Order: sequence, then C-alpha cells, then structure tokens
Amino acid sequence: ILNVEQSPQSLHVQEGDSTNFTCSFPSSNFYALHWYRWETAKSPEALFVMTLNGDEKKKGRISATLNTKEGYSYLYIKGSQPEDSATYLCARNQAGTALIFGKGTTLSVSS
Amino acid sequence: DADVTQTPRNRITKTGKRIMLECSQTKGHDRMYWYRQDPGLGLQLIYYSFDVKDINKGEISDGYSVSRQAQAKFSLSLESAIPNQTALYFCATSDRTSGGPLGDTQYFGPGTRLTVL
Repeated sequence: ILNVEQSPQSLHVQEGDSTNFTCSFPSSNFYALHWYRWETAKSPEALFVMTLNGDEKKKGRISATLNTKEGYSYLYIKGSQPEDSATYLCARNQAGTALIFGKGTTLSVSS
Repeated sequence: DADVTQTPRNRITKTGKRIMLECSQTKGHDRMYWYRQDPGLGLQLIYYSFDVKDINKGEISDGYSVSRQAQAKFSLSLESAIPNQTALYFCATSDRTSGGPLGDTQYFGPGTRLTVL
C-alpha cells in the first residue's frame, strides 16, 4: 500500500491570500504524482500529473512542484478566490498499478 | 451526455440486502475503477480493472465484488449490505493509450450515494 499523506487536513484563507499545501509519499518505486480538484457536489477533476524530480506545473493561479527524492509535492494557489474553495487530492502509483489517493486538503476561501 | 454515468445516483437499502451499482462509459477507455468516499477519508480504492479479463483488488475490497461485463461497463456489488458501507461511491476510467502516466489520469462519474439502514 502506498501511503499518501496530505497536510493540512483543512485550511481557511481570505480572498487574495496565497496558500500552499503538502502531499507526502514513499519515494521508492516512484512513477507519477497526480493532483485533483474536487468541488462540493461535483466529481474530482484532474489538475496535474508529474513524473520527474523537480517538475513544476502551472494552470492559471495554481501551480505544483515535485521532489521525488524526498517524497513530497507542494500545491500553491496564488491570490486565492472563493471559486478556489474545494478539496485538493493528491495521488501516486507505481508503474502498472492504480492510483492511491491521500485524504485531501479542504480549502475554504472567504470573500 | 456525460461520458461516465452511474446508476442509481441515490439508493437507500436495508442491512443484508444485495445491491448492485452500475457504471457505464462512452469514453472508450480500457481501465475502470471503483472508489468509496467517507467524510475525512478521501477516496479509497475498492476494485479496478485494466481490461475486460482483468480484475484487481484495491485497498478495501472486503464485502464487495465486481464484474466487468464489457469494456464500457463495470458493476460493483455488495452481496450483503451493512451500515458501515454507507458512503459515496465513485466510478472512474482511464485510458492506457494516452501513454505513460497520462494513462493513469482518472475521469470520474457523478457518484452514487448509498445509505444502508
């Protein structure tokens, strides 16, 4: 079992604040790390997939970095907006296996 | 039309009943998955199938069984439902032909909310 840990469990910020959260995972046999965004009453949607140590991905105000040697990934949100409120999930797998998800970080952005 | 559909969307049943949740997809993907979500626990993998003849247990397969009737259909059964199987269930698909890690990107259905009394 690939234990994927996310912190913090929940986070509340004000509109305009920048924030980040962490995904930690075993670094052995690493294949890929995925980030998903899950809005309330909707289904999770893929944000990023990263494979290489040092990878950085960006989509609008959201970006992610990857450190496969120490086993962590950061997700950053710059200038948080109320529409960023969601649960952010990370997941990893080994080659040829299914994704194992963390428990998520729930972000709430107040206007 | 949705690419990944789940039926029913909501179901209330009693302890001991047999329940089947159905998932269909029009995406042409070869891989399908079943997850459950409990508050505070994220998504837990129940079973997955990489093609029609392939079935694999996930993290929490006890009390569940699956059937991959065709590439487009993957059903989840609870042979004798119990209250702690009350949860939100998601089906997902992915496309091996996307290549590499992109082939593991999951596309989720809308979810089935199951309540076992």
